[in-house]
Amino acid sequence: SQQGEEDPQALSIQEGENATMNCSYKTSINNLQWYRQNSGRGLVHLILIRSNEREKHSGRLRVTLDTSKKSSSLLITASRAADTASYFCATDAGAQKLVFGQGTRLTINP
Amino acid sequence: ETGVTQSPTHLIKTRGQQVTLRCSSQSGHNTVSWYQQALGQGPQFIFQYYREEENGRGNFPPRFSGLQFPNYSSELNVNALELDDSALYLCASSLEGGGAYNEQFFGPGTRLTVL
Repeated sequence: SQQGEEDPQALSIQEGENATMNCSYKTSINNLQWYRQNSGRGLVHLILIRSNEREKHSGRLRVTLDTSKKSSSLLITASRAADTASYFCATDAGAQKLVFGQGTRLTINP
Repeated sequence: ETGVTQSPTHLIKTRGQQVTLRCSSQSGHNTVSWYQQALGQGPQFIFQYYREEENGRGNFPPRFSGLQFPNYSSELNVNALELDDSALYLCASSLEGGGAYNEQFFGPGTRLTVL
């Protein structure tokens, strides 16, 4: 079973626009992580936000975490064609495993 | 590049056969986790090995087994393959078996097709 639910399942935007993806989860967590996956290949770690943090930035990425609502969002600003990929949130509840959502497929149109 | 390597890249097997997938972890990492990713789905945790011992297991049957070696590389073995075992198998390495800041570094995966 998968804890995280990403929303939307698919997102298509024009290059230069901002992309926002949301993730909801069910149980208490130690941290939440976002990953990118290109064309069914390996996962690339983007950012980790701890349960006591509310917002974190890394380059063009901004992640928020609301533990009271059990939700997180990933914002990619000034999108580029190379950002086309699937994005997954993963929660770490301290049980030696990451629990992934089903992902958001992001397409950046030139 | 994460420094995590997996072999083989692709594999085709038939139902009932057995398969072994291999993973070399990033230098300095002593923990390896395995995940199964079916087409169109997110990865699902199979199990984790920490210092050569199984350290947590997901909801997978016993025909999924693993090993970790003294150099922290790892194998995933699947017996009696079923069609539903067709998936991308990902390994991830990390430090110290988990904890509050369990950042995991993934390999490129092995694509297994069961016919």
